[in-house]
Amino acid sequence: KAGVTQTPRYLIKTRGQQVTLSCSPISGHRSVSWYQQTPGQGLQFLFEYFSETQRNKGNFPGRFSGRQFSNSRSEMNVSTLELGDSALYLCASSLLGMKETQYFGPGTRLLVL
Amino acid sequence: DQQVKQNSPSLSVQEGRISILNCDYTNSMFDYFLWYKKYPAEGPTFLISISSIKDKNEDGRFTVFLNKSAKHLSLHIVPSQPGDSAVYFCAASPDAGGTSYGKLTFGQGTILTVHP
Repeated sequence: KAGVTQTPRYLIKTRGQQVTLSCSPISGHRSVSWYQQTPGQGLQFLFEYFSETQRNKGNFPGRFSGRQFSNSRSEMNVSTLELGDSALYLCASSLLGMKETQYFGPGTRLLVL
Repeated sequence: DQQVKQNSPSLSVQEGRISILNCDYTNSMFDYFLWYKKYPAEGPTFLISISSIKDKNEDGRFTVFLNKSAKHLSLHIVPSQPGDSAVYFCAASPDAGGTSYGKLTFGQGTILTVHP
């Protein structure tokens, strides 16, 4: 069974640009969550999607948005990039997004210059 | 407000000995706990989980203990191997429903180094 895949794996952008990251969950999983990992803040929850609907959201500004498609694939968008957005962005999938185990992808490393 | 805390940033252990990683939480609504292992530039890999209805869960060399009254959990690795060297995160989730969907609250991580 294929794991969670994320594309691209690495990305370099400049301040003010926008970026779109993609996540394909494990087959059959309907919940996709996104996390940001930085050295200073650790792993922080961004948002969770289930059946194309955002069900939960973390404490991030509106520049961070996402969506989920009917095949459960999800995209995350960050507009007007700031230097502080440089991080490893991880997505995780699970069957229903509740208490069961989440499985993480390898992440997208974003560098904002 | 750090709801999940791993107070030891690093731990060094000799191969073959026991590794004990600790985690404390403050939110009494948490009732499902997980441990993840992470290598640099990779996503966390699930290791083991425990529900609040249990106080122990074992999977091979890995055992997680939960003390609800102390709001404390620990991960024991016996025997430790050099390949276990990684960052270990504990994570917690509250009751399903409401605003808890998909959200895990992570500790800051503990870097485990197992020396041959």
